[in-house]
Amino acid sequence: QIQLVQSGPELKKPGETVKISCKASGYTFTNYGMNWVKQAPGKGLKWMGWINTYTGEPTYADDFKGRFAFSLETSASTAYLQINNLKNEDMATYFCARSLYGSSPYYFDYWGQGTTLTVSS
Amino acid sequence: DIQMTQSPSSLSASLGGKVTITCKASQDINKYIAWYQHKPGKGPRLLIHYTSTLQPGIPSRFSGSGSGRDYSFSISNLEPEDIATYYCLQYDNLLTFGAGTKLELK
Repeated sequence: QIQLVQSGPELKKPGETVKISCKASGYTFTNYGMNWVKQAPGKGLKWMGWINTYTGEPTYADDFKGRFAFSLETSASTAYLQINNLKNEDMATYFCARSLYGSSPYYFDYWGQGTTLTVSS
Repeated sequence: DIQMTQSPSSLSASLGGKVTITCKASQDINKYIAWYQHKPGKGPRLLIHYTSTLQPGIPSRFSGSGSGRDYSFSISNLEPEDIATYYCLQYDNLLTFGAGTKLELK
């Protein structure tokens, strides 16, 4: 069955770097794009951007340009979200979600379980 | 960027009842809207895409409709497991979520 399994909770200090993984199984990894979605505490869902798993090209939503990086380890069917120079406002749960795509992603049909990031000095 | 105005932000309903949530887009989104159910500690669950297409395994109690800028999502015959937060997502031009609707039992 199709699964996206994310890495465990993270506790980081401001200024540090975090890398969250999302391991896919049950389908051909390069046939679907991988998206990242942020949910801050008590807030709604916000699309961060996506990575074309066939070409490796990332696209970042406007609010996530600069400190955020999407990457792949295609041989391991795994996508990564890296956040550099962590700030308090990065504290959130991060989800990966797969989608078919054309020039941009379509809706997300499968999601990871979420990774909770705590940022505290 | 396309904005999605979702309402209400919360609602309470009785078991067996019906609820309707609306999403209004800032421009025509050509029916490219999906609806999700989200429960704490889990990833969201896709219920409907392309306005009204039910995902396999989703009960027919869930339905969607709309066109242009205006879309709605309904749940009939409410069951206890329907208690969750619901989101719309437009995917006509990049992707934008609505703010969410928290559904509680009356």
